[in-house]
Amino acid sequence: NAGVTQTPKFQVLKTGQSMTLQCAQDMNHEYMSWYRQDPGMGLRLIHYSVGAGITDQGEVPNGYNVSRSTTEDFPLRLLSAAPSQTSVYFCASNLGQGTSPFFGPGTRLTVT
Amino acid sequence: EDQVTQSPEALRLQEGESSSLNCSYTVSGLRGLFWYRQDPGKGPEFLFTLYSAGEEKEKERLKATLTKKESFLHITAPKPEDSATYLCAVQGPGAQKLVFGQGTRLTINP
Repeated sequence: NAGVTQTPKFQVLKTGQSMTLQCAQDMNHEYMSWYRQDPGMGLRLIHYSVGAGITDQGEVPNGYNVSRSTTEDFPLRLLSAAPSQTSVYFCASNLGQGTSPFFGPGTRLTVT
Repeated sequence: EDQVTQSPEALRLQEGESSSLNCSYTVSGLRGLFWYRQDPGKGPEFLFTLYSAGEEKEKERLKATLTKKESFLHITAPKPEDSATYLCAVQGPGAQKLVFGQGTRLTINP
């Protein structure tokens, strides 16, 4: 099993550009989540999904969109990038509520 | 509001010098408390899940314990390869969200 995979590993965007961060898991987990990690802020939940076709907002959802058309994939879209979205983004998946999320290797995003 | 506070922020030990990391939490109905290890430039790596006060889990030189207000990660006779940032997170009822602490950066000197 590859676990949770994320692409790209690094990305530089200009303000106003859009892009999609990809996340895939091969563990047949129902739950998937996106977090961002900033110095001094810890990991914060952006959006999550409890199954295909079901998504919900986390703690810091503004500026991000998600969709979940399959169990395996959970892409995160930045519609119009802003410097405040410079961060490291982690995708995670878990079997269900109360179970431990497994994290991907992260995408380091810089918005200039 | 669910909160997690980890202490100390950073800890430097000599190889073989045992110590403990603290995770204090406030949550209305704990569904799970999670410990992760994170190496620089990598994603968090799962270590333990604890569900109820009094529970303990062990893995190699690490032992996690849980009370109603805090969790400890005890490190016994650490080695340089134990150097990493250790993250604690809690999950409350009816929520997918994990609330993370800011982590403890542990350095083990040979």
